[in-house]
Amino acid sequence: AQSVTQLGSHVSVSEGALVLLRCNYSSSVPPYLFWYVQYPNQGLQLLLKYTTGATLVKGINGFEAEFKKSETSFHLTKPSAHMSDAAEYFCAVSDPGSSASKIIFGSGTRLSIRP
Amino acid sequence: DAGVIQSPRHEVTEMGQEVTLRCKPISGHDYLFWYRQTMMRGLELLIYFNNNVPIDDSGMPEDRFSAKMPNASFSTLKIQPSEPRDSAVYFCASSLAVRVSGELFFGEGSRLTVL
Repeated sequence: AQSVTQLGSHVSVSEGALVLLRCNYSSSVPPYLFWYVQYPNQGLQLLLKYTTGATLVKGINGFEAEFKKSETSFHLTKPSAHMSDAAEYFCAVSDPGSSASKIIFGSGTRLSIRP
Repeated sequence: DAGVIQSPRHEVTEMGQEVTLRCKPISGHDYLFWYRQTMMRGLELLIYFNNNVPIDDSGMPEDRFSAKMPNASFSTLKIQPSEPRDSAVYFCASSLAVRVSGELFFGEGSRLTVL
């Protein structure tokens, strides 16, 4: 069964500092990997995804993530945090080869930005 | 195009009452998912449909929960009878060819409080 583990339920950084949110996955086959963002009182929206090809994926709002098969990781980064980045971030995984179409979400990491 | 529309946005009810949550997916999308979000358990997949047919309901907590999708533009999630532990935010999400795109489009959620 596939799963994702997000290290750290809460991360706090200063405005302008590097953002690093960690995600490790477990999958027996090359997975599809995603990062979603949830702003207060809203649904989740896709930030970026990795399916095949280039392992460094760029998303919206200056975020990017790198798929590292050897480390089974898909960490999310942004060079310089902005106040508007404060939200909850979810890593997710799916198995593209499966007849099922489930996307499994991690437990989420709440990102706070200090002025 | 309008996004996924859920109603009601907020529902407060008493234990034992029937609750019906509604979802209108994005037109043309062939997959519909119901998720539940709580602080304790995070984001849980309850059930998903493909072309209006339930594919996997293994996440439905118990027989008190039921979901239907009578047509491509409407789905309901019903809880009868409701219990305080059902209090959560329920999200509906839709997708087009999720096995290829992997992207879910979420509604804004229905926040349920059972007293």
